[in-house]
Amino acid sequence: NAGVTQTPKFRVLKTGQSMTLLCAQDMNHEYMYWYRQDPGMGLRLIHYSVGEGTTAKGEVPDGYNVSRLKKQNFLLGLESAAPSQTSVYFCASSTILAGGPGELFFGEGSRLTVL
Amino acid sequence: DAKTTQPTSMDCAEGRAANLPCNHSTISGNEYVYWYRQIHSQGPQYIIHGLKNNETNEMASLIITEDRKSSTLILPHATLRDTAVYYCISLLWGNDMRFGAGTRLTVKP
Repeated sequence: NAGVTQTPKFRVLKTGQSMTLLCAQDMNHEYMYWYRQDPGMGLRLIHYSVGEGTTAKGEVPDGYNVSRLKKQNFLLGLESAAPSQTSVYFCASSTILAGGPGELFFGEGSRLTVL
Repeated sequence: DAKTTQPTSMDCAEGRAANLPCNHSTISGNEYVYWYRQIHSQGPQYIIHGLKNNETNEMASLIITEDRKSSTLILPHATLRDTAVYYCISLLWGNDMRFGAGTRLTVKP
């Protein structure tokens, strides 16, 4: 059981380049999330999805786009990378309990450097 | 969602109970309180969550005050492996899960 898998784990981009981070979960979870974490700081929510075909903005959505075409996959895209997007990106998924999101399961993170 | 406030850092002696406070004075009646922790640069790990009643699991206990304006996460017998950043989050059903800066707990031998 792989849980939440992120690819790639490391990537170096030049300013202006584009790329897509892939998050895949095999737990049949409804909710999926993308976070970024800068050095010494907490996680900040970029975008999230409460089901296939639906996405919503989080705290810091500018410069990113997402898609949830399949329930098990949540893609995070950078159309024109900027040095300010250098960060570690975490994907998470959760089921839905009676009182809200269940336990969030996180991937191992993707370290992105934009030069 | 209510904003939460936590101390920036705390120390605890190995083998002693670690009590991590969280203030959520603006919490509404339907908002849950969640606790996660992050060890080194790993993805955060779920610990526990609750609404009104105190909760306990194999990892920790969650004590929520009667007015629900604050809560305390208790690690009954802290070990060196519990050194981590601990996040307290209040969340209304269906809303996004947002992490703050958390409390950096250092367990010392």
